[in-house]
Amino acid sequence: GAGVSQTPSNKVTEKGKYVELRCDPISGHTALYWYRQSLGQGPEFLIYFQGTGAADDSGLPNDRFFAVRPEGSVSTLKIQRTERGDSAVYLCASSLYVGEGYEQYFGPGTRLTVT
Amino acid sequence: DAKTTQPPSMDCAEGRAANLPCNHSTISGNEYVYWYRQIHSQGPQYIIHGLKNNETNEMASLIITEDRKSSTLILPHATLRDTAVYYCIELNSGNTPLVFGKGTRLSVIA
Repeated sequence: GAGVSQTPSNKVTEKGKYVELRCDPISGHTALYWYRQSLGQGPEFLIYFQGTGAADDSGLPNDRFFAVRPEGSVSTLKIQRTERGDSAVYLCASSLYVGEGYEQYFGPGTRLTVT
Repeated sequence: DAKTTQPPSMDCAEGRAANLPCNHSTISGNEYVYWYRQIHSQGPQYIIHGLKNNETNEMASLIITEDRKSSTLILPHATLRDTAVYYCIELNSGNTPLVFGKGTRLSVIA
């Protein structure tokens, strides 16, 4: 079946620009997570949604980062006034429910490069 | 920060068992040990998890010490496609964000 998909696969933008990254979770999955991964590091948690609401946004680095999931399915991660330090692979994952036994399924990621 | 400790890299001959260790000396009673792996240019993939009993599935086996302070992931017959970074993660059953460390880079050699 269809897995988690993310678009675009690659995004190059200039410093100061606004970008949106999209995540399509597995159909029926109630939980959706965003992580970002810098070169040579493990993924770092940003935010997760349970349904439409953000259950935990403690990983967002600052107020330039924002994410929405208005209908409880597709999610968009929005970054304002991008900085070169935002360059990373942004990973999205979904799980059927929250908790033990419900593993997270990851998408292939969006590689963001800020020039 | 990640609470687990793993060796940065390991090699394994193709067809042999790969044994990947993980220390989680501060694990609490309601925290599970999860293993994910990440093949180059892909998102992480769930492998297996356990609480205190050993676990086995079609991908791997997980051996957890009696004191739960360490565990070993075993890939019984490693293939070249098992070359990846393997992450060991402590996870509370009610707390879902995964906290990744740097993992172990496993290279399976022909």
